[in-house]
Amino acid sequence: SQKIEQNSEALNIQEGKTATLTCNYTNYSPAYLQWYRQDPGRGPVFLLLIRENEKEKRKERLKVTFDTTLKQSLFHITASQPADSATYLCALVRDTDKLIFGTGTRLQVFP
Amino acid sequence: KAGVTQTPRYLIKTRGQQVTLSCSPISGHRSVSWYQQTPGQGLQFLFEYFSETQRNKGNFPGRFSGRQFSNSRSEMNVSTLELGDSALYLCASSLGFRSYEQYFGPGTRLTVT
Repeated sequence: SQKIEQNSEALNIQEGKTATLTCNYTNYSPAYLQWYRQDPGRGPVFLLLIRENEKEKRKERLKVTFDTTLKQSLFHITASQPADSATYLCALVRDTDKLIFGTGTRLQVFP
Repeated sequence: KAGVTQTPRYLIKTRGQQVTLSCSPISGHRSVSWYQQTPGQGLQFLFEYFSETQRNKGNFPGRFSGRQFSNSRSEMNVSTLELGDSALYLCASSLGFRSYEQYFGPGTRLTVT
């Protein structure tokens, strides 16, 4: 069955360092992949979308890579700040298919 | 531009009852999707509506239904509530079909007792 795996354990890093979150998938060939941020008690917020023919995408301090051979996406936050602390979700979709979310990784950035 | 709004924000119901949740998408967005979020299962897709038609459906029982109106507003209904239906129900809107960037509402927290 189709499966999306994100680190279930929280990622704790020091302010100023680069946070790297992983999204692995199996039995799936997504047309594109998205990353969302979710704060407690709130709905997810869209961050970045990367298509299957794109290797890398950047937005300010955020960078996403997409390796369809490894079936993996990496999400980087450079110069992390305590305000970046949240749960980050990856989501995959093929054209006309529904969006499938991973369970998310909680990031904690401490001063 | 106003974001996605959902009403009510919190709801407590008893087993066997039914519930209707409402979602108003961002102005100009024509696609509305619904998700259920629980600690154990994460975010799970319920259904997607575009131009008043259900375009996609997740793996949920028939007790879960929805509809979309001509102004793109959407409602979802859960009949014969079960304890396991307790969850955060999220609505998301996007410009068009095919699940591009989704803009989520704050959710409705449903508790079934």
